[in-house]
Order: sequence, then structure tokens, then C-alpha cells
Amino acid sequence: QKEVEQNSGPLSVPEGAIASLNCTYSDRGSQSFFWYRQYSGKSPELIMFIYSNGDKEDGRFTAQLNKASQYVSLLIRDSQPSDSATYLCAVKYGNKLVFGAGTILRVKS
Amino acid sequence: DAMVIQNPRYQVTQFGKPVTLSCSQTLNHNVMYWYQQKSSQAPKLLFHYYDKDFNNEADTPDNFQSRRPNTSFCFLDIRSPGLGDAAMYLCATSRDPGGWGGGYTFGSGTRLTVV
Repeated sequence: QKEVEQNSGPLSVPEGAIASLNCTYSDRGSQSFFWYRQYSGKSPELIMFIYSNGDKEDGRFTAQLNKASQYVSLLIRDSQPSDSATYLCAVKYGNKLVFGAGTILRVKS
Repeated sequence: DAMVIQNPRYQVTQFGKPVTLSCSQTLNHNVMYWYQQKSSQAPKLLFHYYDKDFNNEADTPDNFQSRRPNTSFCFLDIRSPGLGDAAMYLCATSRDPGGWGGGYTFGSGTRLTVV
């Protein structure tokens, strides 16, 4: 059973702070990792993907991958109220993506 | 704009009455997926098509079927919906299996209610 685990939250941060979201996965052979944002009642939208160990930055978002420890994280700098959503971690297993249940992020203004 | 379109946005069906959800895409992606997402849960893959090849997940109930008549369209058929089938149904596409090259593109979803 391929698993992707996330803390359900909610994670509450003040506006302007850094939000840190974490995800662990069960298959050491996984190669591709994705972060999706999902607003309530909406479909997921891709924020970032990462394949290599280390950090990948895109604007206010940074994805971090540590394959030895089997975790991937997402940092959101200068958090805004509009960032309030559920963040889904997804891991590629074979020919499909397996999703975690998501972490609820709440940014307080 | 290229996109993934799901219809209807909301669907109410009666217990046991067959229902069909549709998905179309203008991205010309090879792979189309159907996910079921219940409240506060992870999206769960039901099946996917890689071109014309159908791939069913081992734990997908027989009550769920799918058709892909051409590259652009894919349908989800629920033969006898039960109350436990009430969920958001998400259609997604990717150029390659597993989303290599940027992940999946999701449609807006269909919220299914069973009464």
C-alpha cells in the first residue's frame, strides 16, 4: 500500500509569516513529488513539483525534498489570507499520483 | 484556453438510478483519470485511460465504469449509486502517466448527491 501522510491541521499563521507544510511518503523509490492547492469546494491546482533532493523556489513558494528521510515540504513566505486553503501532497507511484488527505492552512489577517 | 471541462457541476441522483458524469479536454493529453474525493479525504484514484488502454484500480467497486470514446472525452458511469457514493468526482489529464512533466490538470469537478 503506497501511502502519503500529511498532518490534517489546521495550521494557523499570521499574515506575512512563513507557513511550513510537511508530507511523508512510504515508497523510497518514488521520484516525483507534487504540491496542489485546493480551495473549499474546488478542484486541486498544481503549485509546484520537485524531482531532485534539495530546494526548488517559485515566487513565494519553496518545495524541499529529502529522499533519505522520505519527506517533502512546502514553505510559503509572506503568507496572505488568499493562501488559506487545503494543500495536498502527491507522490508518483508507477503510473499514477497518490494524494495525501491534505493540510488545512489558515492565514489570519 | 486549453482546459478540462466537467459536466454537470452538480448532480443529484436517486439511490440506485444510473448516472453518468462527463469530462472533456482540449489539451490533447494522452491520459485521463477519474478520482473520487469525499469530504476531508484524499482524492482516490478510481481508474485511468492511457490512450485507449483502460486501467482499473484493484479496489474500485464494480459499480463504477468508464468509457473513453475518443481522445477528448471520458465518462464515468455509476450503475447503481448508493448513499456512500456521494462525493466530488474529479477528472484529470496528463501528457504522460503519473504526471511527469508537471503533474495533472484537473477539471472543476462534479459534486454528486445521492438521495
